[in-house]
Amino acid sequence: GESVGLHLPTLSVQEGDNSIINCAYSNSASDYFIWYKQESGKGPQFIIDIRSNMDKRQGQRVTVLLNKTVKHLSLQIAATQPGDSAVYFCAENYPWGNDYKLSFGAGTTVTVRA
Amino acid sequence: AAGVIQSPRHLIKEKRETATLKCYPIPRHDTVYWYQQGPGQDPQFLISFYEKMQSDKGSIPDRFSAQQFSDYHSELNMSSLELGDSALYFCASSGLRGDYPDTQYFGPGTRLTVL
Repeated sequence: GESVGLHLPTLSVQEGDNSIINCAYSNSASDYFIWYKQESGKGPQFIIDIRSNMDKRQGQRVTVLLNKTVKHLSLQIAATQPGDSAVYFCAENYPWGNDYKLSFGAGTTVTVRA
Repeated sequence: AAGVIQSPRHLIKEKRETATLKCYPIPRHDTVYWYQQGPGQDPQFLISFYEKMQSDKGSIPDRFSAQQFSDYHSELNMSSLELGDSALYFCASSGLRGDYPDTQYFGPGTRLTVL
């Protein structure tokens, strides 16, 4: 299941397939990006992050791709499992004065079909 | 590993009442952030504290205030509650500051219902 290049609010994927979730960020000064997973009634859970000096980072079953040219971020989940059903948010961290701000993108609700 | 602790987990209040939410950051984390999340919405930043001083302010209503204490825990005080304040309130914490921003780790949230 994937939505190439385009952010969609929902994604339905067959168990065992790969998932691709897309996110467009807004601030070209953002230099750090995080994907969070949020299950119903729970807090956002850190999945994986990537610095702006990288274009790819891999974790356990997850890969994040960063395209700074078009300000696009994607999260790939390999062999999607029922426990992957959740809302996924990308977040960008950008400089703000002497500090940084974390801004969340619109979430994508992933539903895994058995 | 220790995570962010929030209390209470659920809170029901009447309109015009006050509420206090508590957040205990991950040990040795010095920065605390508060977020509000309405149904189907992404988390909206309210306010943050670094070393007990307010470091940033977002869309926090004037009816709300917050502080960070010497043990780094934080409290969000909400007065004159309105129906629209019903939401999930998350606290997040991050570690020692460096040149790069630190990852924010979120607590389980407090679900506030205003009747």
